[in-house]
Amino acid sequence: KQEVTQIPAALSVPEGENLVLNCSFTDSAIYNLQWFRQDPGKGLTSLLLIQSSQREQTSGRLNASLDKSSGRSTLYIAASQPGDSATYLCAVWNFNKFYFGSGTKLNVKP
Amino acid sequence: DAGVTQSPTHLIKTRGQQVTLRCSPKSGHDTVSWYQQALGQGPQFIFQYYEEEERQRGNFPDRFSGHQFPNYSSELNVNALLLGDSALYLCASSSSRHEKLFFGSGTQLSVL
Repeated sequence: KQEVTQIPAALSVPEGENLVLNCSFTDSAIYNLQWFRQDPGKGLTSLLLIQSSQREQTSGRLNASLDKSSGRSTLYIAASQPGDSATYLCAVWNFNKFYFGSGTKLNVKP
Repeated sequence: DAGVTQSPTHLIKTRGQQVTLRCSPKSGHDTVSWYQQALGQGPQFIFQYYEEEERQRGNFPDRFSGHQFPNYSSELNVNALLLGDSALYLCASSSSRHEKLFFGSGTQLSVL
């Protein structure tokens, strides 16, 4: 069974810092990996989707990388802003299902 | 273009009751999945519907059932509610069974 782990569980940084969120998964036979953002009490907003054949994807200040062989993905956020404060979740698709991590709660202080 | 819409947004029920949650997928999407998210946890996969059939199911009891209609909208039914069923229920749609997911804002269910 696929297990997805996200470290750290929570992170607090001053505005302007570059930061890295980590996601690891136990079964490398994934079809794709997706990063989401969730604001309190809300649904999930898709940030980036990386297919299993890709190494990274970029959107604005966000860059996500994927290393299938080691079962890891990172989400890099450049020049963080208070508006980036949210919970970030990664999810992997395999066994015909999406498996989610528990998320990293990010707080960016002004 | 409307995204994924869910109704109701909030619901309060008592133990033993039954509840129906509704979801309309994003325009052009034919696959709907349901997730349960407990406070502080990641979403847990309940099941997925495609072509009006349940295609995949997570580790949830038979009290959880669903349906997909010809217009691709979907319902999640939960019978004999337990206190532990209190959670945010999320619906997600996609254009095929394993592509980018788009989520609704969820239904917050409280069981008293």
